[in-house]
Amino acid sequence: GENVEQHPSTLSVQEGDSAVIKCTYSDSASNYFPWYKQELGKRPQLIIDIRSNVGEKKDQRIAVTLNKTAKHFSLHITETQPEDSAVYFCACSSGGSYIPTFGRGTSLIVHP
Amino acid sequence: NAGVTQTPKFQVLKTGQSMTLQCAQDMNHNSMYWYRQDPGMGLRLIYYSASEGTTDKGEVPNGYNVSRLNKREFSLRLESAAPSQTSVYFCASSGGSSLNEQFFGPGTRLTVL
Repeated sequence: GENVEQHPSTLSVQEGDSAVIKCTYSDSASNYFPWYKQELGKRPQLIIDIRSNVGEKKDQRIAVTLNKTAKHFSLHITETQPEDSAVYFCACSSGGSYIPTFGRGTSLIVHP
Repeated sequence: NAGVTQTPKFQVLKTGQSMTLQCAQDMNHNSMYWYRQDPGMGLRLIYYSASEGTTDKGEVPNGYNVSRLNKREFSLRLESAAPSQTSVYFCASSGGSSLNEQFFGPGTRLTVL
């Protein structure tokens, strides 16, 4: 089955810095790559996603890049703010299954 | 729309007791899922239901059973709870125009003593 590795497990930055979280996957058939944000005590929520026919997608301060050849994708957050502090999960799924495999999560801490 | 709802929010069981976690969605989604979340382990799939009337095992199904009662409801049952099942359980659904996106419920925090 699919294997998703996510790094780092913890990321500490100063407010205003950029943050980058990376994921690698094993199944070359994977074609959907979402990122979820989970605030403390809350449910995970989708913040951005990318499909395999696109190399990069941006939404204000967040962006996701995908390298299908190398089988990795990354989440970029610019101008971080304290409210960006949360656990971020990458995931991927393939074809018509829509069943995602999640990474283990990255705890992002943004210091004011 | 309430989205995905789960009951109960919290539960404490003794080893060997049984219980059922309830989940319902009002988004007319075909697919529903049960995950468990443990520190440092991410979200691991227990069971899923691709459509009404079907259920399949996920990554960690041992000790659990599920029922897709109708299109809206998907329940998770622990027949004989064990301390290793102490976790936060999330139900999710997907389908419709959003296709792959998972919509999660608020979670159930379960402690097995």
